[in-house]
Amino acid sequence: AQSVAQPEDQVNVAEGNPLTVKCTYSVSGNPYLFWYVQYPNRGLQFLLKYITGDNLVKGSYGFEAEFNKSQTSFHLKKPSALVSDSALYFCAVRDPMNRDDKIIFGKGTRLHILP
Amino acid sequence: DVKVTQSSRYLVKRTGEKVFLECVQDMDHENMFWYRQDPGLGLRLIYFSYDVKMKEKGDIPEGYSVSREKKERFSLILESASTNQTSMYLCASHPRTGKVNEQFFGPGTRLTVL
Repeated sequence: AQSVAQPEDQVNVAEGNPLTVKCTYSVSGNPYLFWYVQYPNRGLQFLLKYITGDNLVKGSYGFEAEFNKSQTSFHLKKPSALVSDSALYFCAVRDPMNRDDKIIFGKGTRLHILP
Repeated sequence: DVKVTQSSRYLVKRTGEKVFLECVQDMDHENMFWYRQDPGLGLRLIYFSYDVKMKEKGDIPEGYSVSREKKERFSLILESASTNQTSMYLCASHPRTGKVNEQFFGPGTRLTVL
C-alpha cells in the first residue's frame, strides 16, 4: 500500500535562509510524487511533481525538490525563504502500479518564515 | 487557467439536515475528487469519479454519497449531517490524458454542523 509521511508538523525558518520541508514515501514501485501548497483559507495549489528523469525537480515560486530513491524521500527546498512562503505544505504520492488515479496526501507541514 | 469552483465558502447546518456541496470545473476534466481536510490528518479521499454517472469510494465514504450527472459537476451529499462531519471539504479535478497530471483544487467549503 502506498503511504507518505511528513515528519514535521511545523518548520520555522528565518527570512533569507534556506528552507527544507521533509517528505518520505512508501510505494511498491517507482513513485509519482507531488508537492502542493495551501495559503490561508484557500484550496491547494500545485508546486511541482516528479515522474521520472532528473532527480532535481524545479517548480513554482522558486521551489525545488529532490527525489532520493535510496532514502525514499522527496524533500522540498528553497534557497532563500520569503515571508510570503508561510503556508501549509502537502506532499503526495501516487503508485504507478495502481490503475486508478488516486493520490495519497501527507498530513501537511506548516511553514513559518520569520521576518 | 483551470477553474474549479465550489458553491459555498462557508456553510452552517444542523444535525440531521441533508447537505449538498457542489463542485464545478470548466476544463472538461474526466476525473473529479472530493476530500475532507482536518488538522493533523491532512487530506482524506471521500469519493472520486472517472466519468459521468461513475463513482468510486475513497478511503472514508461512510456518511457521504455523490452524484455526477454532468461531466463538469460533481456533488457531495451528506444524507444526514452529523457533528463529526464538521470539516473543510475540497474538490479537485484533473484530465485523464495518459500523462501523470496534477490535480486542480477548488477554494474549499468550510462546513460546520451544529
